Amino acid sequence: GAGVSQSPRYKVAKRGQDVALRCDPISGHVSLFWYQQALGQGPEFLTYFQNEAQLDKSGLPSDRFFAERPEGSVSTLKIQRTQQEDSAVYLCASSLALEKLFFGSGTQLSVL
Amino acid sequence: KQEVTQIPAALSVPEGENLVLNCSFTDSAIYNLQWFRQDPGKGLTSLLLIQSSQREQTSGRLNASLDKSSGRSTLYIAASQPGDSATYLCAVKQSNFGNEKLTFGTGTRLTIIP
Repeated sequence: GAGVSQSPRYKVAKRGQDVALRCDPISGHVSLFWYQQALGQGPEFLTYFQNEAQLDKSGLPSDRFFAERPEGSVSTLKIQRTQQEDSAVYLCASSLALEKLFFGSGTQLSVL
Repeated sequence: KQEVTQIPAALSVPEGENLVLNCSFTDSAIYNLQWFRQDPGKGLTSLLLIQSSQREQTSGRLNASLDKSSGRSTLYIAASQPGDSATYLCAVKQSNFGNEKLTFGTGTRLTIIP
């Protein structure tokens, strides 16, 4: 595809459920980022991959959050035992040159 | 810890007017600063990127300036159009090696009144 693709577009989870959010970056993009955007706020950094290596996970809010990119392309963000405070839009971005980021449309997660 | 502030949170102006959006940051040791646009329910689109050594960047009706020492950036939009209505976010990248994350402001929601 021409852009960064994220699925699902919307996800509703009951508190305590596990969820998995998928990101398909632009083909050939080495760098991949996950950001969390709460309503009315700017995006907050979660984690960063270069190829399959997770180089920075300092933004993951708890050990319930886990991200992987096993083959250096598609990435999955997994949230275990979801809580209401996890409700947000999760944005994925990819980059070829680490400067210009291309963002997906995000996954809107609602935890009831 | 870097903090990025954008004021005002919302702005409405009549079509055709020129306008300025403001961004300030607390730590001047930045590598670059970017301005993004976000439409409702969409991801972010990069508009302009200014390196720390630059003073300004221009793209069409948009001009972004950077005063690193004072921790300020402005985004100037000339001859505003209804299609410019969106939320505008600024983000900074720190200059320390290996730190690739962006720190975002909370955005300015811009409405252009036809």
